[in-house]
Amino acid sequence: KAGVTQTPRYLIKTRGQQVTLSCSPISGHRSVSWYQQTPGQGLQFLFEYFSETQRNKGNFPGRFSGRQFSNSRSEMNVSTLELGDSALYLCASSWTANTEAFFGQGTRLTVV
Amino acid sequence: AQTVTQSQPEMSVQEAETVTLSCTYDTSESDYYLFWYKQPPSRQMILVIRQEAYKQQNATENRFSVNFQKAAKSFSLKISDSQLGDAAMYFCAYRSARDSGNTPLVFGKGTRLSVIA
Repeated sequence: KAGVTQTPRYLIKTRGQQVTLSCSPISGHRSVSWYQQTPGQGLQFLFEYFSETQRNKGNFPGRFSGRQFSNSRSEMNVSTLELGDSALYLCASSWTANTEAFFGQGTRLTVV
Repeated sequence: AQTVTQSQPEMSVQEAETVTLSCTYDTSESDYYLFWYKQPPSRQMILVIRQEAYKQQNATENRFSVNFQKAAKSFSLKISDSQLGDAAMYFCAYRSARDSGNTPLVFGKGTRLSVIA
């Protein structure tokens, strides 16, 4: 069974640009969550989607958005990038919203 | 809001020895899950072990076991017969088990474990 797949693995963007990250969950998993990991703040929850609906959102500005498609694949978008958005973005999928989460390898975003 | 605290930023252990990583959490809920995740240099978070709060029996996965003390809100991870491949960042995480809506994982700051050959 394939694991959680995140693309791309690495990204370098310039301040002010926007970026879209993609996540394909484990087959059959309907819940996809996104987390931001930085050395200073640790792991912080961004948002979670279940059956194409955003069920919960973390404390991030509106520049961070996401969506989920009917095949459970999810994308997150960050507009007007800032230097502080440089981080490892991790996607996790679960069978349901409250069971254990399995993570992808992450997308390393660097904003210059 | 729930919080998870890992008081040991760094730990080291000799190969083949045993090490215990500490984790405490704060919650007013009675039904929840606790997890330990491992993040090696490859950066992928790997689930090590899971504990349901309603189960009194401590979870065990091969060389990994937990000491779950619900009243004390403590959830430590014991790694036996440590191997070089165990070197990684270890995160303790909490997740509510309530049915209403999603409950995100709440992570501790992590403990960096070094294994000395």
